[in-house]
Amino acid sequence: DQQVKQNSPSLSVQEGRISILNCDYTNSMFDYFLWYKKYPAEGPTFLISISSIKDKNEDGRFTVFLNKSAKHLSLHIVPSQPGDSAVYFCAATGSGNTPLVFGKGTRLSVIA
Amino acid sequence: GAVVSQHPSRVICKSGTSVKIECRSLDFQATTMFWYRQFPKKSLMLMATSNEGSKATYEQGVEKDKFLINHASLTLSTLTVTSAHPEDSSFYICSARDLRTSGEQYFGPGTRLTVT
Repeated sequence: DQQVKQNSPSLSVQEGRISILNCDYTNSMFDYFLWYKKYPAEGPTFLISISSIKDKNEDGRFTVFLNKSAKHLSLHIVPSQPGDSAVYFCAATGSGNTPLVFGKGTRLSVIA
Repeated sequence: GAVVSQHPSRVICKSGTSVKIECRSLDFQATTMFWYRQFPKKSLMLMATSNEGSKATYEQGVEKDKFLINHASLTLSTLTVTSAHPEDSSFYICSARDLRTSGEQYFGPGTRLTVT
């Protein structure tokens, strides 16, 4: 049973436009959500996170929105740049020292 | 931000030998480190949770006698792949949990293991 789902395996966006990556989760015990960016043959790089007490967190070009009632979060990148092309993983965790549960990732391609 | 290092970054070994991968948190203390494995075109798969000073907790389906994990200090965890086989070839990634935050994990750059 997949607790964190990223239903779009890939996404193509033109440079300068907005990229929206979606993530759904099923476990209501999750209270902290993170987005990671990953290039091939490298470890994931932390991008941005959001606690369940918030519904929005913004950091530069990256904004994460959380809709707890829908168990849905999204990552907005605006404006998108070619260097943003990578695989983006959504992850969730609960309280205590629990491991992250990852989605399968969405490959973003930003076309110049 | 916090930094996690892994060594080596790439290793090639012969079938039947053992390989040790180190994971270090460089500027913070982490009571818990996690070991992941990435299969091609799939998500990161959690292998085990490593707690400092105690035995690692392995996920279902992960052989604890094959993947030996030691967490000797608050900044170092090691994964030893014993009697490696070609099917163990993969990308192994560790992460460390920062005690100052609730859930943020910092990942190492990964180690690519190739077993010939």
